[in-house]
Amino acid sequence: GAGVSQSPSNKVTEKGKDVELRCDPISGHTALYWYRQRLGQGLEFLIYFQGNSAPDKSGLPSDRFSAERTGESVSTLTIQRTQQEDSAVYLCASSRGQGGPYEQYFGPGTRLTVT
Amino acid sequence: GENVEQHPSTLSVQEGDSAVIKCTYSDSASNYFPWYKQELGKRPQLIIDIRSNVGEKKDQRIAVTLNKTAKHFSLHITETQPEDSAVYFCAASLTGTASKLTFGTGTRLQVTL
Repeated sequence: GAGVSQSPSNKVTEKGKDVELRCDPISGHTALYWYRQRLGQGLEFLIYFQGNSAPDKSGLPSDRFSAERTGESVSTLTIQRTQQEDSAVYLCASSRGQGGPYEQYFGPGTRLTVT
Repeated sequence: GENVEQHPSTLSVQEGDSAVIKCTYSDSASNYFPWYKQELGKRPQLIIDIRSNVGEKKDQRIAVTLNKTAKHFSLHITETQPEDSAVYFCAASLTGTASKLTFGTGTRLQVTL
């Protein structure tokens, strides 16, 4: 079946502009996660959703970052007033939900470059 | 919160040799420990995981060991091959709910001919 997809694959934006990153999880996966990976570094947790609710937003770096999920499906990560330090690959993952943990399946990521 | 440390950061082995990567975690409540492999420019993919009710798990050339008392776990790759070259990440989380993974900083494994 189809895996996790993300769009766009690459995004170049000017400092100060807002960006939206999209994640389409595997159908039926109720849990959805966002991570950030700076160049040559590990994965940094941002937020996760169980259904449309976000029980853990502890990794969001600032109030410029927000995320939502609708229909227990698509999720959007929004970064307002982008800064150069926001440049990174943003990875989305999904998994089965309650009773886990279950394997997290990652999308290909969105490479964000802030100029 | 959980903190996961991983070492070494880089590892070079000759084809056919074994590779060992070690991780330690801080939260004694963590009880799920997956390992992900990430090839250059690709997404991370799960290669093996272990839950705290077992001390060792093996899948062909890959094995993971867990010492809950010492709060450390290790990845062992035997008979390494060039296609094993990648960055490997360990992670830790809690069971019983969908919850975030806390990742180590990664080990770049290079298998040379």
